[in-house]
Amino acid sequence: DIVMTQSPDSLAVSLGERATINCKSSQSVLNRSNYKNHVTWYQQKPGQPPKLLIYWASTRESGVPDRFSGSGSGTDFTLTISSLQAEDVAVYYCQQYYDFPRTFGQGTKVEIK
Amino acid sequence: QVQLQESGPGLVKASETLSLTCTASGASMSTYYWSWIRQSPGKGLEWVGYVSYSGTTNYNPSLKSRVTISIDTARRQFSLKLTSVTAADTAVYYCATDGGSRPNWGQGILVAVSS
Repeated sequence: DIVMTQSPDSLAVSLGERATINCKSSQSVLNRSNYKNHVTWYQQKPGQPPKLLIYWASTRESGVPDRFSGSGSGTDFTLTISSLQAEDVAVYYCQQYYDFPRTFGQGTKVEIK
Repeated sequence: QVQLQESGPGLVKASETLSLTCTASGASMSTYYWSWIRQSPGKGLEWVGYVSYSGTTNYNPSLKSRVTISIDTARRQFSLKLTSVTAADTAVYYCATDGGSRPNWGQGILVAVSS
């Protein structure tokens, strides 16, 4: 199985400051036939289903604010919130869809400092 | 945009079989893999498995001996059966698409296992 490891497990950021979440896969999730990285990022708030933020590692889902961005390739990926807003308090997950079984990171809890 | 809706009992007795159905709309059933994902209370996300339009399946090895996912394309539904459930199977179960350009998720259904 591909193991997805997120860091940190939690972080507290001041309003308007940058939040950075890292996700490392145990093997490359770059599909060399289409040169796409098979990684998604989700945001989950209490009592709600995960909300898709980013797919193909860096493609922002329609309607997602542009303060959210994804980057990385191969085995190392990053979700950046450029200017943290109060409504961004949530748990964030990365997931690989390069191979089966699909696997998720353990989650990163983002709070306001 | 694909829309997915989970349905089924919210309470299952230990040792019995959990059965859920997901109804899909807004896309051809041949476009995606149709998958189940679960989340135990306060825990992370676990992929359960998928079924394709043709009925091909792929299951998480951790659950493979107890899981069956099937599809009824005429009803635009796919189903999850999990046998011999225990308290550890208490979770919110989500149906979702896999493949295509982007995934779509249902709202989820909480299934509790009672002793």
